[in-house]
Amino acid sequence: GNSVTQMEGPVTLSEEAFLTINCTYTATGYPSLFWYVQYPGEGLQLLLKATKADDKGSNKGFEATYRKETTSFHLEKGSVQVSDSAVYFCARARMNTGFQKLVFGTGTRLLVSP
Amino acid sequence: ETGVTQSPTHLIKTRGQQVTLRCSSQSGHNTVSWYQQALGQGPQFIFQYYREEENGRGNFPPRFSGLQFPNYSSELNVNALELDDSALYLCASSPPGQGAGELFFGEGSRLTVL
Repeated sequence: GNSVTQMEGPVTLSEEAFLTINCTYTATGYPSLFWYVQYPGEGLQLLLKATKADDKGSNKGFEATYRKETTSFHLEKGSVQVSDSAVYFCARARMNTGFQKLVFGTGTRLLVSP
Repeated sequence: ETGVTQSPTHLIKTRGQQVTLRCSSQSGHNTVSWYQQALGQGPQFIFQYYREEENGRGNFPPRFSGLQFPNYSSELNVNALELDDSALYLCASSPPGQGAGELFFGEGSRLTVL
């Protein structure tokens, strides 16, 4: 089927630790891939995206590389901050006749302690 | 620039009732999508509106319906509410010419059905 799978949380880290949140997808073809972030009490915000294989999306110190060989789009950050505590959603675009939609994973909660 | 705004932010209904949720899209955005986010889950696509018409729909029954107005604002209507309709309902808008993923989300309307 067409789905997105991401690691279950919560992921608990100390400040300045290295972060990896795994995401894999199944799809026909090569869909655009995204990471969205949801801070407490806020709506989803686009964090980064990649539209083709081997692209690397980056923003606010976060990076993710579109790996078609492993159908993955893992999110990484070298040094997390307390302010990064949020829920992170991996998503892929799905194209249908006349419109496009996003298919989201279930989300991974990140908790960063001082 | 005003972002996506949704109302109400919270509401409580009982089974069998009807509810209307409202969304004002970001300035210049002509496409509006609605997503349902159950607790602990990722958002699920309900439908999308473009030029005041529904141009795409997810796996939701007909009692979920919507409207888009000439100013691109939108409503989501749910009839005959069921307990499982309890969720965060997210509205997202996107500008002309953008593919899926360039979505700008509101903070959502949290619906509780008792």
